[in-house]
Amino acid sequence: DTAVSQTPKYLVTQMGNDKSIKCEQNLGHDTMYWYKQDSKKFLKIMFSYNNKELIINETVPNRFSPKSPDKAHLNLHINSLELGDSAVYFCASSQNRDHYGYTFGSGTRLTVV
Amino acid sequence: SQQGEEDPQALSIQEGENATMNCSYKTSINNLQWYRQNSGRGLVHLILIRSNEREKHSGRLRVTLDTSKKSSSLLITASRAADTASYFCATSKAAGNKLTFGGGTRVLVKP
Repeated sequence: DTAVSQTPKYLVTQMGNDKSIKCEQNLGHDTMYWYKQDSKKFLKIMFSYNNKELIINETVPNRFSPKSPDKAHLNLHINSLELGDSAVYFCASSQNRDHYGYTFGSGTRLTVV
Repeated sequence: SQQGEEDPQALSIQEGENATMNCSYKTSINNLQWYRQNSGRGLVHLILIRSNEREKHSGRLRVTLDTSKKSSSLLITASRAADTASYFCATSKAAGNKLTFGGGTRVLVKP
């Protein structure tokens, strides 16, 4: 079983649309994260949730809204998609907010046309 | 700007050779981690070194940390074609703090 799974793996959509990316972890971890990897491979943290509570909220446009229905799930909803949102989005989890090793999902490649 | 910056950006070696890559960072840290990313995949945690440690080993990996120079190195010994990947360093300033990643070193191991 995949430890951190994201769906969909690929997402192609038009500017202005609203889309969601789902993430689930079956590791029993308390903390989950969303990272964005740009075309130059730089990874930037976007959000982090610990036991469904938002603990990190970086400078991200408010078109991006994370939702954590339970500690095993962290979804990312994006409104009014823009060309610059095209990137690979990675979900990750860690045992707790003080546990240092992250387990990453395989990524969602979002292309906005 | 990124907290961690890897050097070189790309590295090409023959199978069996050693691969060394470096990471520099700007602020004080609690720990530094190295991750591997195969093409089209997520990152895989390789090794963590704490700020009070100077060297760690894991299999064919050796990591050093010099906090006075704010730098770390990752050495892969006796490289294999399967080591072909991008390698990222990531730093955490404190317990519970976010991980900040560098831009990665792309390593190509030729058979």
